[in-house]
Amino acid sequence: QSVLTQPPSVSAAPGQKVTISCSGSSSNIGNNYVSWYQQLPATTPKLLICENNKRPSGIPDRFSGSTSGTSATLGITGLQTGDEADYYCATWDSRLNAWVFGGGTKLTVL
Amino acid sequence: QVQLVESGGGVVQPGRSLRLSCAASGFTFSSYAMHWVRQAPGKGLEWVALISYDGTNKFYADSVKGRFTISRDNSKNTLYLQMNSLRAEDTAVYYCARDRKILVVITDSFDYWGQGTLVTVSS
Repeated sequence: QSVLTQPPSVSAAPGQKVTISCSGSSSNIGNNYVSWYQQLPATTPKLLICENNKRPSGIPDRFSGSTSGTSATLGITGLQTGDEADYYCATWDSRLNAWVFGGGTKLTVL
Repeated sequence: QVQLVESGGGVVQPGRSLRLSCAASGFTFSSYAMHWVRQAPGKGLEWVALISYDGTNKFYADSVKGRFTISRDNSKNTLYLQMNSLRAEDTAVYYCARDRKILVVITDSFDYWGQGTLVTVSS
């Protein structure tokens, strides 16, 4: 299983807010930046959040990131059907000397 | 515009070798560390390897250590992944991805990804 733990799936209605958690340890989330990626069906992953909470150019402010201790959270407000995708957290693990991804969370907008 | 184009995928028998390439354009390739990330069919993302911008530092996932070698040719703007002793569990789409920051070994994220190349290990 993955070093970073994400819920397999989350769901919410259009217009609502959803959060996706990512749990790690002191060797990864606790001491390194977390990034989040969106993978729409049959597409390449896309960077949503970098440095825990920064949005790259072109990413709407409906997407937000935060961290607390050894956990990170992705928030999405004003849900749209186009947000249905798999979402992954990632960070460097200083003990493994390797990048690690969460197992991914499938978002369904009901 | 940044472009990353992978090639070299295909069907290969277990135990054989394959070399993937990633042709980069639209940015100063020699200033960025680069990664390989893979995704098995229907599964999540798995980081494979990292090479620093100058090629002096390399890191690997435990699952490929000793079998895969990452390299780069900055004169050709190309990233490589030499895959030896391939196993069925190496079957995946392989993406190359760029570090977000320049001239660092360990960055905070991957900002550009290629379209991927499919590697199928099967007898």
